[in-house]
Amino acid sequence: EDKVVQSPLSLVVHEGDTVTLNCSYEVTNFRSLLWYKQEKKAPTFLFMLTSSGIEKKSGRLSSILDKKELFSILNITATQTGDSAIYLCALGGGTSYGKLTFGQGTILTVHP
Amino acid sequence: SAVISQKPSRDICQRGTSLTIQCQVDSQVTMMFWYRQQPGQSLTLIATANQGSEATYESGFVIDKFPISRPNLTFSTLTVSNMSPEDSSIYLCSVVLAGGLETQYFGPGTRLLVL
Repeated sequence: EDKVVQSPLSLVVHEGDTVTLNCSYEVTNFRSLLWYKQEKKAPTFLFMLTSSGIEKKSGRLSSILDKKELFSILNITATQTGDSAIYLCALGGGTSYGKLTFGQGTILTVHP
Repeated sequence: SAVISQKPSRDICQRGTSLTIQCQVDSQVTMMFWYRQQPGQSLTLIATANQGSEATYESGFVIDKFPISRPNLTFSTLTVSNMSPEDSSIYLCSVVLAGGLETQYFGPGTRLLVL
């Protein structure tokens, strides 16, 4: 059974700090790893990673995948209060194309 | 990207009643899904909504409790039947856009409280 484990489960930082969120996984037939940000109800898409060692970047957020060690990290630099959210890691793999397995999420709180 | 709408955005219901949630997309999609997010929990997939045929349910979810329809490519409904307080959750639809690999985009969600 596919498995996604995120750490830490929660994190409290101050504005300007840099944070690293972790996602490790177990899967047969890996296809993709995705990161989402959930502020109220709907998760919003951040990154999709399919190849090892290639960094995806968008502003202060970046993510990289290590397919050998089976993990991904999401970095946020110069954090702002608007970064406060739940960050979800999701795995696409197995035999059912399109289905994602979600991790439990990391709750990030950024204090002014 | 696409505009995904869900109705209602929230509701408070009495136990034993049913609620139907609608999901509409303004773009071509290949796949549609329904998720549940219970308080303090991550997303759990309920089912894959199949166009013109019965939905494919995940373990622990059954058609009698969560009937799903998808009459065309861009519209789906989820009904939560015979509700109990344990059904209080956020319900989310998601779509995979045509040509979008496996990236799922989520609707705004429906927050349901069952008393």
